[in-house]
Amino acid sequence: AQTVTQSQPEMSVQEAETVTLSCTYDTSESDYYLFWYKQPPSRQMILVIRQEAYKQQNATENRFSVNFQKAAKSFSLKISDSQLGDAAMYFCAYRNRDDKIIFGKGTRLHILP
Amino acid sequence: EAGVAQSPRYKIIEKRQSVAFWCNPISGHATLYWYQQILGQGPKLLIQFQNNGVVDDSQLPKDRFSAERLKGVDSTLKIQPAKLEDSAVYLCASSRDYYSNQPQHFGDGTRLSIL
Repeated sequence: AQTVTQSQPEMSVQEAETVTLSCTYDTSESDYYLFWYKQPPSRQMILVIRQEAYKQQNATENRFSVNFQKAAKSFSLKISDSQLGDAAMYFCAYRNRDDKIIFGKGTRLHILP
Repeated sequence: EAGVAQSPRYKIIEKRQSVAFWCNPISGHATLYWYQQILGQGPKLLIQFQNNGVVDDSQLPKDRFSAERLKGVDSTLKIQPAKLEDSAVYLCASSRDYYSNQPQHFGDGTRLSIL
C-alpha cells in the first residue's frame, strides 16, 4: 500500500526567506501524480503545485517549486521569498492509477515577521 | 466558475444522534470525494463517486455512515448514530477527470462536533 510521510510537523521561517518542506512516499508504481496542497485556517484546501511522475523536470509555480527525486521517492516543496499569507498547513498528496489519493499528515508552516 | 459548495459549515450534535452533510461539486466534475479530517491529521478518504457510481468506499464505516450521489451531481453524507470519534471536519472535493493531473477542488468543509 502506498504511504505518504511528512516528517516535519511544524516549521518556521522568517518573512522573505526560503523554506523547504519535506515529503517522502512509498510506492511500487511507476506512473502517478504528486501534489502539494495548502490549508489555511479557513479550512479550504488549495492546490499549490503538481508533478507528473513521468516528467523529469521539476514543477514551478511562481515562488513555489518542487524537488522531485523519483528514485528516492522524495517530493519536497520550496517556498521562496516567504510571505505572511503563506502561513498554513501544507499537505503532500499522492494519486495512483486507481485514482486513490493519499495525504500526508501535514506540516504547519509559521511565517515570522 | 463556482467552487465546491458544502453545507452546513458547522454542526453540533449529541452522540447517538444523526446528521447529514450536503455537497454540490463544480459543474461538469464527474468525480466526487468525501474526506474525514481529524484535527492534526491529513484528510482520509471515506467514499469516492464516479458520476453516480461508487468507486471506493473501503474506508467508510458502513454500519453508521452512508452516502449517495443521486443523478451524479450533488451528494449527501449521513452519520447515524454519531459517536464521539466522529468529531472531525468533513471535506467534499470534486475532480474533472478520473486519474489525471487535474487536481481535486475542495469545499470549505463541515466541522462536526459530537457532545
